[in-house]
Amino acid sequence: AQTVTQSQPEMSVQEAETVTLSCTYDTSESNYYLFWYKQPPSRQMILVIRQEAYKQQNATENRFSVNFQKAAKSFSLKISDSQLGDTAMYFCAFINAGKSTFGDGTTLTVKP
Amino acid sequence: GAVVSQHPSWVICKSGTSVKIECRSLDFQATTMFWYRQFPKQSLMLMATSNEGSKATYEQGVEKDKFLINHASLTLSTLTVTSAHPEDSSFYICSATNGAGQGAYGYTFGSGTRLTVV
Repeated sequence: AQTVTQSQPEMSVQEAETVTLSCTYDTSESNYYLFWYKQPPSRQMILVIRQEAYKQQNATENRFSVNFQKAAKSFSLKISDSQLGDTAMYFCAFINAGKSTFGDGTTLTVKP
Repeated sequence: GAVVSQHPSWVICKSGTSVKIECRSLDFQATTMFWYRQFPKQSLMLMATSNEGSKATYEQGVEKDKFLINHASLTLSTLTVTSAHPEDSSFYICSATNGAGQGAYGYTFGSGTRLTVV
């Protein structure tokens, strides 16, 4: 069974600063997909970024980027130029063969 | 992009009654839908996985007779909470996938339903 661990229950960052959210996972699979989802106060789950395990290149989506270390089973999310609208709960997710595992989430607060 | 509509967004029901939550994929065929339960400030707990036209697969500890799931078409899945009790009060979320790459592109989530049983 897969496990996903987010060791930071809560984090805060000043507006315009950079913040990194950590995620580690455990699996014996070699081919899988990793995701970061954002859940703002509206509670709508929004896909932020995805990474294919067989790709070494780190995924980037505008201000969001990941640091994917497959050997270390680490998948951190970096948010640059943080904005007030980034305030949300962030979930790291692992998907393999159609089955998903979510981390416990990190609540991020962006302070003005 | 893919859109999943979930209704109602919130519902209050009396203890002992049943309530139905609908999850619809608006612009794609959802071969698989997932139902989650989420408590405040906590992660999503997968309740069951449903594939169109077949019986849902429930996670361990989830009462299948209490949480009835139907996935009769490629665009609609329903979750019925039967004989609801206050402890069933929670936030329920659905997600859907067209099966491409078996989740390689992630899942599209509904906006959730807040159920309060009084």
